[in-house]
Amino acid sequence: DAGVIQSPRHEVTEMGQEVTLRCKPISGHNSLFWYRQTMMRGLELLIYFNNNVPIDDSGMPEDRFSAKMPNASFSTLKIQPSEPRDSAVYFCATRQGNSYEQYFGPGTRLTVT
Amino acid sequence: DAKTTQPTSMDCAEGRAANLPCNHSTISGNEYVYWYRQIHSQGPQYIIHGLKNNETNEMASLIITEDRKSSTLILPHATLRDTAVYYCIVRVPGGSYIPTFGRGTSLIVHP
Repeated sequence: DAGVIQSPRHEVTEMGQEVTLRCKPISGHNSLFWYRQTMMRGLELLIYFNNNVPIDDSGMPEDRFSAKMPNASFSTLKIQPSEPRDSAVYFCATRQGNSYEQYFGPGTRLTVT
Repeated sequence: DAKTTQPTSMDCAEGRAANLPCNHSTISGNEYVYWYRQIHSQGPQYIIHGLKNNETNEMASLIITEDRKSSTLILPHATLRDTAVYYCIVRVPGGSYIPTFGRGTSLIVHP
């Protein structure tokens, strides 16, 4: 298995533009998590899905952020409109059942100018 | 969730054992101790977990004190590639288990 796949790996955009980050989980993993990491705030959980259903989105900073998981093999995190303070590394992680292990993707480094 | 306390940074000579402490004095009886690490520019990676017995796998050993209020992650023969931030997390396992990452310990392994 190729592991958790995220795209793009790097994204540079201007303030006000829409940004879409993508994640393909490991096959068979039924939980998916979106995290954001900055120097100031560390690694923060934004939202997580179980069996494609959003379970907890309390970490989503504001309405500009939205996440979807239309099927078991794909998820998106969208920011519209983007702002400079959204600049961060966004990680997708997946887990199988109640396994102790989460598997993280390589992350998407987002820069909003 | 029980709060954990870790040193901000540590260093270790290559080939020596790296012992990373974690304090979790408010841990409850059904909470497990998990360790993850994050190498620069990569996502976090699971290392090991335990409840009350010492655990060992191919990556590391986990020593949990008898009162479970603290634990130590041991990398027996640290290499330069072990330079990373190490996170100690205490959570109840199960469907709602989601690792919550604090600041961790930045371990630098030097030649």
